[in-house]
Amino acid sequence: DAKTTQPNSMESNEEEPVHLPCNHSTISGTDYIHWYRQLPSQGPEYVIHGLTSNVNNRMASLAIAEDRKSSTLILHRATLRDAAVYYCILRGGGADGLTFGKGTHLIIQP
Amino acid sequence: DSGVTQTPKHLITATGQRVTLRCSPRSGDLSVYWYQQSLDQGLQFLIQYYNGEERAKGNILERFSAQQFPDLHSELNLSSLELGDSALYFCASSVGVAGTEALNYEQYFGPGTRLTVT
Repeated sequence: DAKTTQPNSMESNEEEPVHLPCNHSTISGTDYIHWYRQLPSQGPEYVIHGLTSNVNNRMASLAIAEDRKSSTLILHRATLRDAAVYYCILRGGGADGLTFGKGTHLIIQP
Repeated sequence: DSGVTQTPKHLITATGQRVTLRCSPRSGDLSVYWYQQSLDQGLQFLIQYYNGEERAKGNILERFSAQQFPDLHSELNLSSLELGDSALYFCASSVGVAGTEALNYEQYFGPGTRLTVT
């Protein structure tokens, strides 16, 4: 899987939008962009994924740059429960396991 | 609740011993993945099974093995345990599609088994 780069940590206030960036300049044309998060003391949790177009679901939105070299996970209104480590993962080639990096530690201030 | 169950929640054992971790995937999911999370290595993919057959291998040690049974539950066997094997072990499941089509599907993770080797 191609490499992704994320900030180590970000801080935001409760009830405000949060934009989590991810750079993936070596992405290939068939790589899907997946986002997972891991809340404290829990297993990873799927958030959203996309290929080329922006995606929305009940948890978040995924904005994908036109050249696909970067993407942004958008939490529209952060709550304390959104405090977690967020992982941006590219999936391509064989359908094997996820390659987790260090992710972004999101801190939500009340 | 992801629908993926793992037992036991906690396991404490001594070096040199063997343990078995169990995972039941979400209803209907044919793929099972095993991951290890340790403080120094982070989350690492170990192995994948699809409908009873080994599909892909990651950073799995030779002392570790897994299998998936006809009822689709999976077991991860860890033997000759060392202190460094202490970690959280997660199982994940995904829908049963083959090949690159699986890239378009998410994985659902269980709550994990915390293994402590003393």
